[in-house]
Amino acid sequence: AQSVTQLDSQVPVFEEAPVELRCNYSSSVSVYLFWYVQYPNQGLQLLLKYLSGSTLVKGINGFEAEFNKSQTSFHLRKPSVHISDTAEYFCAVSEGRGSTLGRLYFGRGTQLTVWP
Amino acid sequence: NAGVTQTPKFQVLKTGQSMTLQCAQDMNHEYMSWYRQDPGMGLRLIHYSVGAGITDQGEVPNGYNVSRSTTEDFPLRLLSAAPSQTSVYFCASSRAGLPGNEQFFGPGTRLTVL
Repeated sequence: AQSVTQLDSQVPVFEEAPVELRCNYSSSVSVYLFWYVQYPNQGLQLLLKYLSGSTLVKGINGFEAEFNKSQTSFHLRKPSVHISDTAEYFCAVSEGRGSTLGRLYFGRGTQLTVWP
Repeated sequence: NAGVTQTPKFQVLKTGQSMTLQCAQDMNHEYMSWYRQDPGMGLRLIHYSVGAGITDQGEVPNGYNVSRSTTEDFPLRLLSAAPSQTSVYFCASSRAGLPGNEQFFGPGTRLTVL
């Protein structure tokens, strides 16, 4: 089974500053990686995903993430945040083979708070 | 399409009561799952189903039952509620077959057990 570590439980940042939310996963031969966002009192919404190909993945709302196989990381970045980006962000991993095919493993979440 | 719907949105139970959380999807997705979300714990998988008539346990199945009689519906049953089951519950669905498929989430049910 996979384990997913989100290194920061809370990230405060000022508006228009850059931000990086970190995510590491346990090693596996083939994995698929996701970032989900949860706005207050809502369900989860897919931000972006990595399946294969280019290691830099672009998502909605100006977010991007880079897959680094050697470091088993999938960090989320945005060059300039807005107050509306305040939300909880979840990194998730799905394995590409075996009995857990398709099952999502979530990190504990990072609360991003953007201050004016 | 309504996507994934969950009812009720809020529920308060007394210890020992039973109830069923409803989940339905209209996307003809084979894969459905239930998660619970607790502060600082992320989402933890309770049960999942890869198709009608097939269910399996996730990482925190104790105290919960599921069944999948149709592709559309995947109810979660609490047989005897306990305060430890106070949580926010999310249902999700996706197409089966490819692990990279996006899971679509419902809006959640906030459950309090007194």
